[in-house]
Amino acid sequence: NAGVMQNPRHLVRRRGQEARLRCSPMKGHSHVYWYRQLPEEGLKFMVYLQKENIIDESGMPKERFSAEFPKEGPSILRIQQVVRGDSAAYFCASSPSDGNTEAFFGQGTRLTVV
Amino acid sequence: AQTVTQSQPEMSVQEAETVTLSCTYDTSESDYYLFWYKQPPSRQMILVIRQEAYKQQNATENRFSVNFQKAAKSFSLKISDSQLGDAAMYFCAYRSAYSGSGGGADGLTFGKGTHLIIQP
Repeated sequence: NAGVMQNPRHLVRRRGQEARLRCSPMKGHSHVYWYRQLPEEGLKFMVYLQKENIIDESGMPKERFSAEFPKEGPSILRIQQVVRGDSAAYFCASSPSDGNTEAFFGQGTRLTVV
Repeated sequence: AQTVTQSQPEMSVQEAETVTLSCTYDTSESDYYLFWYKQPPSRQMILVIRQEAYKQQNATENRFSVNFQKAAKSFSLKISDSQLGDAAMYFCAYRSAYSGSGGGADGLTFGKGTHLIIQP
């Protein structure tokens, strides 16, 4: 059973471009969480999705950021018109259900905006 | 909103010795979960140990154990017989038991981390 897969591992974008980060949850997991980690900081919750539904996006910036988890395929975190401040590591975690189940993390995507 | 504080940016310990990492949190909730995650240079977040707030018994996983003091809102991690492979960033995290209530309650709230150095 493969773990949570994130790609790409590293992504370089110029200011103003779009960044698309992908997350394939573990097999059988229908809950996905996205986090952002700035340098020297802990992870900050961004959004919680179930298949075809955004459950909690209270940690998402109001502009330029969006997330989806379609019925088929990976979850996508999309950042439009990237700025230097978007440079960070973005982590995805998945769990089989809600409640007290453990969330398993991917290895993250390091986004660098130049 | 919940907050998690790790007051030790860096800790150093001799190999085979014991080290304790501190974590305090603030919440008005009575039911929640607490976690310690390890992040080595590979960046992979690895769950070390977890504690349910309603359980009085401290969780233990091999060389890792916690001291959970609910009234004091303290959740420290003790690593016994430290090994070189324990060197990493360690993050304390909180999760509400009241999922589905929005406002970030469904996700983990992390502290800023403690960088653990193991001296050979």
